[in-house]
Amino acid sequence: QKEVEQNSGPLSVPEGAIASLNCTYSDRGSQSFFWYRQYSGKSPELIMSIYSNGDKEDGRFTAQLNKASQYVSLLIRDSQPSDSATYLCAVINFNKFYFGSGTKLNVKP
Amino acid sequence: EADIYQTPRYLVIGTGKKITLECSQTMGHDKMYWYQQDPGMELHLIHYSYGVNSTEKGDLSSESTVSRIRTEHFPLTLESARPSHTSQYLCASSDGDHYGYTFGSGTRLTVV
Repeated sequence: QKEVEQNSGPLSVPEGAIASLNCTYSDRGSQSFFWYRQYSGKSPELIMSIYSNGDKEDGRFTAQLNKASQYVSLLIRDSQPSDSATYLCAVINFNKFYFGSGTKLNVKP
Repeated sequence: EADIYQTPRYLVIGTGKKITLECSQTMGHDKMYWYQQDPGMELHLIHYSYGVNSTEKGDLSSESTVSRIRTEHFPLTLESARPSHTSQYLCASSDGDHYGYTFGSGTRLTVV
C-alpha cells in the first residue's frame, strides 16, 4: 500500500467551476500535509500546507484535512485555464516526506 | 524568486561520461534532497541529507552518489552515465517538517 494515494485523473472542469482534488494517506501518525502544483516540464511549487483538522483558505485555494478519515483535499474556486497542471499531495510522517503520484487537472475555457 | 539553484538546466552527454549536477541553496536549510522524475511520472527520492557530512540513499536505487561538505551545496555525481539515466533531476531543501520543500528548477539530463 502506498503512503499517499491520489487519482491520476485527468480531472476536467470548465473555467469558473470548482475543482476538487483528493488525497488519502495510510499512516495515522502523519503530521503535516502539503499541496504542490507542477506545470508540465517544471518543478513542483508549494501552494498550500495544513497541519490540523478543518479548512485552510488562501485566495482561491482551500485545503481540507480530516485526520479521522485520513484524507486531504484541495478545492480551487473559480478555476482558470492557468490552473491546468498536476497537483501533488505530500505528507510528512516521522521525518519522512511522501509524495502522491499527482492528479492532472485540465481547466477548459 | 528561487533560493535554490540547479545547474546545468539542460545537459546532453555521451554514454560513459562522468557528470556532476550542482545544487545550491541560500536559505541555510539543513535538509536537502535529490529526486528523479520522468515526464508525467511520479517523483522518486534518490538521495537525501540532514546536514553536513550526512547522506543517505533514498527509496529508488540509483547509481549516483552525493556529498554534503557545506550546508548550502549538495552535488550529485554519476560516475558513468548511461541512457537509462535520462531523466529530470530535482533538488529540494527544507527548513523542517512544518515547512515543506522548496524545489530547484531541475536539470533535464539526456544520455546518448
